[in-house]
Amino acid sequence: NAGVTQTPKFQVLKTGQSMTLQCAQDMNHEYMSWYRQDPGMGLRLIHYSVGAGITDQGEVPNGYNVSRSTTEDFPLRLLSAAPSQTSVYFCASSSGGAHGDYGYTFGSGTRLTVV
Amino acid sequence: AQKVTQAQTEISVVEKEDVTLDCVYETRDTTYYLFWYKQPPSGELVFLIRRNSFDEQNEISGRYSWNFQKSTSSFNFTITASQVVDSAVYFCALSEEAGANSKLTFGKGITLSVRP
Repeated sequence: NAGVTQTPKFQVLKTGQSMTLQCAQDMNHEYMSWYRQDPGMGLRLIHYSVGAGITDQGEVPNGYNVSRSTTEDFPLRLLSAAPSQTSVYFCASSSGGAHGDYGYTFGSGTRLTVV
Repeated sequence: AQKVTQAQTEISVVEKEDVTLDCVYETRDTTYYLFWYKQPPSGELVFLIRRNSFDEQNEISGRYSWNFQKSTSSFNFTITASQVVDSAVYFCALSEEAGANSKLTFGKGITLSVRP
């Protein structure tokens, strides 16, 4: 099915470990973004990309790295995991363009626990 | 900067009651987009509606209706005759632009519990 695919769905890391959360979309969307969801905080933007080779920081970028080498993929890297990064992570892509089709498609989320 | 406030954190109703979820937003732009998402216990984000700032027409979809009022910067969501399956967290969100430069800002969400 077309959409946004996130892997893995669950992950447990030890403090200091690194890992990459994968995100891929097959809708040819230019815009992709990463959010984290914490209890009582809603979803907060970590990093986003407006196209291949272009990324920028969102509201809570510290401790995370991103790159966008292709339109389809937008991985999120945790360089040295900390317990404060325990969260649910959502990747999203946006159609942009005309008002009629403007919207966001979200992946199913990655639940990350850092111990 | 854009901001979305969902002042209600938790709402509990009995099945068949009507319930309104409030959303107040702040933006300096004259063109913006408002969204509602549902997050059931399974965790995925389900898109419910998008509204453009230049279209203040209220919308009804089955048991769901939305009241958009620019004068009060509100975009409230009403569920009529609630059902247990409506139990979820509901997020209101705002985007100041459409297209590649857009950023989606979420409220903190409202947890709705519908009791049988």
